Amino acid sequence: DAGITQSPRHKVTETGTPVTLRCHQTENHRYMYWYRQDPGHGLRLIHYSYGVKDTDKGEVSDGYSVSRSKTEDFLLTLESATSSQTSVYFCAINSVNTGELFFGEGSRLTVL
Amino acid sequence: AQKITQTQPGMFVQEKEAVTLDCTYDTSDPSYGLFWYKQPSSGEMIFLIYQGSYDQQNATEGRYSLNFQKARKSANLVISASQLGDSAMYFCAMREVNTGNQFYFGTGTSLTVIP
Repeated sequence: DAGITQSPRHKVTETGTPVTLRCHQTENHRYMYWYRQDPGHGLRLIHYSYGVKDTDKGEVSDGYSVSRSKTEDFLLTLESATSSQTSVYFCAINSVNTGELFFGEGSRLTVL
Repeated sequence: AQKITQTQPGMFVQEKEAVTLDCTYDTSDPSYGLFWYKQPSSGEMIFLIYQGSYDQQNATEGRYSLNFQKARKSANLVISASQLGDSAMYFCAMREVNTGNQFYFGTGTSLTVIP
């Protein structure tokens, strides 16, 4: 058990509304990541964090922002959700010791 | 350019047979790691196997082995003695150590094991 949880696990919202997904870890790992998974695209990196208040963009960061005010929490915000952001979102943490990437259970977001 | 390429969108294998899932990668970072993950229909991402760029021997984990050919930049996953429970999506991933510790994923291969 990698000690990583995502919330909410499912959410349906309307176009134009703000949405925040939360990723919480109990392992005190430095690196945290947000990916989105879409058919035919695999997992694509949205944003990642390498420490408190240290974040950087991934390959599909447009329309998303992140914050990390505490080691254990990494928040992904869609300021104004669009239908193209309907996806499954995965949070992940990297164990520097093993190099492995541990994933949360995923959050399924539907934007109508 | 794609960092990770998986050219087999779908594969079929007979139960108890071996199957190879292809993965090629592209990086200029001399220090990197290669991973394979399994995603069953339930959706969770399950770590299968890891190979470091400096590892001399191919990684093995039970029925999984990683055929690492550094010069060809390939990291194929071999599953021996396939089981029905192996039916899932399989993702190859690469971690670049010296460029922000980012992980890149391929588009996946859907494996179906036929009884």
